[in-house]
Amino acid sequence: ETGVTQTPRHLVMGMTNKKSLKCEQHLGHNAMYWYKQSAKKPLELMFVYNFKEQTENNSVPSRFSPECPNSSHLFLHLHTLQPEDSALYLCASSQEEGEIGRPQHFGDGTRLSIL
Amino acid sequence: GDSVTQMEGPVTLSEEACLTINCTYTATGYPSLFWYVQYPGEGLQLLLKATKADDKGSNKGFEATYRKETTSFHLEKGSVQVSDSAVYFCALRSPGSARQLTFGSGTQLTVLP
Repeated sequence: ETGVTQTPRHLVMGMTNKKSLKCEQHLGHNAMYWYKQSAKKPLELMFVYNFKEQTENNSVPSRFSPECPNSSHLFLHLHTLQPEDSALYLCASSQEEGEIGRPQHFGDGTRLSIL
Repeated sequence: GDSVTQMEGPVTLSEEACLTINCTYTATGYPSLFWYVQYPGEGLQLLLKATKADDKGSNKGFEATYRKETTSFHLEKGSVQVSDSAVYFCALRSPGSARQLTFGSGTQLTVLP
């Protein structure tokens, strides 16, 4: 139990569907992250929220839309995705203040398959 | 910008063999260094970390020493077990990169009985 819970664990959707990924952290952290993990590629940081404010958007296509209603919850809304968007989507959280040695805690991910 | 270079896998070892996974980095300022492990079907878990030069992080028999002079943070274990089979990621956070984690590409380790 990492303290970061992601749902669903698996998702299969067509290119015209709209779905959302959910992440919840029970660690009292103030920053949350979305990463994309594709086969044979390094982890890609997609979005960062710090104190509920989006502080980073690493050139992610607009078909991915994040939402952070409070410091414990993070969503990733998906619409009109492409086959190359099939990947493992990981959520992480951390406590962002002071020294940089604080680690990020990861959920188990949502395995997304686009048909 | 910051970058992390890991030895390419996959690595296959017999049980009780010695393990070394090389990791070198380029960073702005004085980064903190991490090793994460990802078991099949799971997310990343922090394995160990070091926050300043010459620090040694250790956990579950794994060790890594922060070497500033060689900008390295190699992961070592003296005797691997089948349960150590996983993907290992080296990562860093530096003050000059908006405090974000920069990951290496990961090294797949398979330990055979």
